[in-house]
Amino acid sequence: EPEVTQTPSHQVTQMGQEVILRCVPISNHLHFYWYRQILGQKVEFLVSFYNNEISEKSEIFDDQFSVERPDGSNFTLKIRSTKLEDSAMYFCASSDARGSQEQFFGPGTRLTVL
Amino acid sequence: AQTVTQSQPEMSVQEAETVTLSCTYDTSESNYYLFWYKQPPSRQMILVIRQEAYKQQNATENRFSVNFQKAAKSFSLKISDSQLGDTAMYFCAFMNSGAGSYQLTFGKGTKLSVIP
Repeated sequence: EPEVTQTPSHQVTQMGQEVILRCVPISNHLHFYWYRQILGQKVEFLVSFYNNEISEKSEIFDDQFSVERPDGSNFTLKIRSTKLEDSAMYFCASSDARGSQEQFFGPGTRLTVL
Repeated sequence: AQTVTQSQPEMSVQEAETVTLSCTYDTSESNYYLFWYKQPPSRQMILVIRQEAYKQQNATENRFSVNFQKAAKSFSLKISDSQLGDTAMYFCAFMNSGAGSYQLTFGKGTKLSVIP
């Protein structure tokens, strides 16, 4: 069964460094998403992406964040200058959005900012 | 803005018994979707069940069913004949079906343990 994959599973970085989190959505899906979950808190929406552009973003998704679909398979989230408060699980999801509204989630990347 | 509240951080149930997880939400929208997602330990979230707000009939998927009370803004999940594999975090989520928005708003989750 097709599934969303994410790499790496765990990323440790120093404050101020740039990180890129990678996702491979399900191949025939058209909508892509990033969510994050700070330890002990809710899963929060960051951004959605469709037709090579951002379709929605939350207040969390400020200028430090960017997303890209560099080729036909990968979907990336870049954090330009990480802060301690960026430490969280980051989940990628994809959907075909043809009425089912079901989003398929990846296993997540745990980002630790030191 | 929508909010989703799950008031039970942790629950446990004996194998083969029935358990109900609570979820309430707040929205001014009339058309929306509600979901229950399951996240087993160290695995990804998967969709358990989905309810369209315009449907009065409660959704059912095998051992999983919901009690959707639109006026009360309540969306509880009932798991019948609980199995060890049901042990997981369960997240209630809301999606506004209007204006092409596919953003999910999640509750904090309920950790369910099924006891042999």
